[in-house]
Amino acid sequence: NAGVTQTPKFQVLKTGQSMTLQCAQDMNHEYMSWYRQDPGMGLRLIHYSVGAGITDQGEVPNGYNVSRSTTEDFPLRLLSAAPSQTSVYFCASSYSKRGSYGYTFGSGTRLTVV
Amino acid sequence: GNSVTQMEGPVTLSEEAFLTINCTYTATGYPSLFWYVQYPGEGLQLLLKATKADDKGSNKGFEATYRKETTSFHLEKGSVQVSDSAVYFCALTSFNKFYFGSGTKLNVKP
Repeated sequence: NAGVTQTPKFQVLKTGQSMTLQCAQDMNHEYMSWYRQDPGMGLRLIHYSVGAGITDQGEVPNGYNVSRSTTEDFPLRLLSAAPSQTSVYFCASSYSKRGSYGYTFGSGTRLTVV
Repeated sequence: GNSVTQMEGPVTLSEEAFLTINCTYTATGYPSLFWYVQYPGEGLQLLLKATKADDKGSNKGFEATYRKETTSFHLEKGSVQVSDSAVYFCALTSFNKFYFGSGTKLNVKP
């Protein structure tokens, strides 16, 4: 099925551990982004990419790294996990850089940092 | 700057009631406006969109009209169903970035 695939769906980390959240899309979308969703705060943009080799920071980038070596993949790395990074993470992609067609979202990764 | 403000929830309605979820925005330039829906345990799905002033987006009985003069994009449905229970997000896109409201939870009771 075409769409955005995120793995894993659930993860528990200890403080200080690192991990990578995977995101892949098969729609040949140029624009990809990572959001975190916290209760009462909606979705906040962490990082985004307008094409392979090009990334930029969003609203809440601290503690996260990204890279975009291919059009399909956009992994999010947590360098040293902190309890404040407990959240639900969504990857999204779009055909249009202006976003006029809307985003396609993955089903999310629920991360708990203890 | 850009921002989206939506009414706080939860909104609780009986089946077949009329639904309105208010959304107002602040934006530079000419944003596109969206409503997304999130069912429990799932990601966000695009519900409808409008790309310019006076456009009306519609899908699955839901409608919203892009009102530039009042900077609003209110979501409406004439007769809600239990299956419409979800969280609804208003959003805008401007210069390659999306901005989301905080979401409004809708509970529809039989």
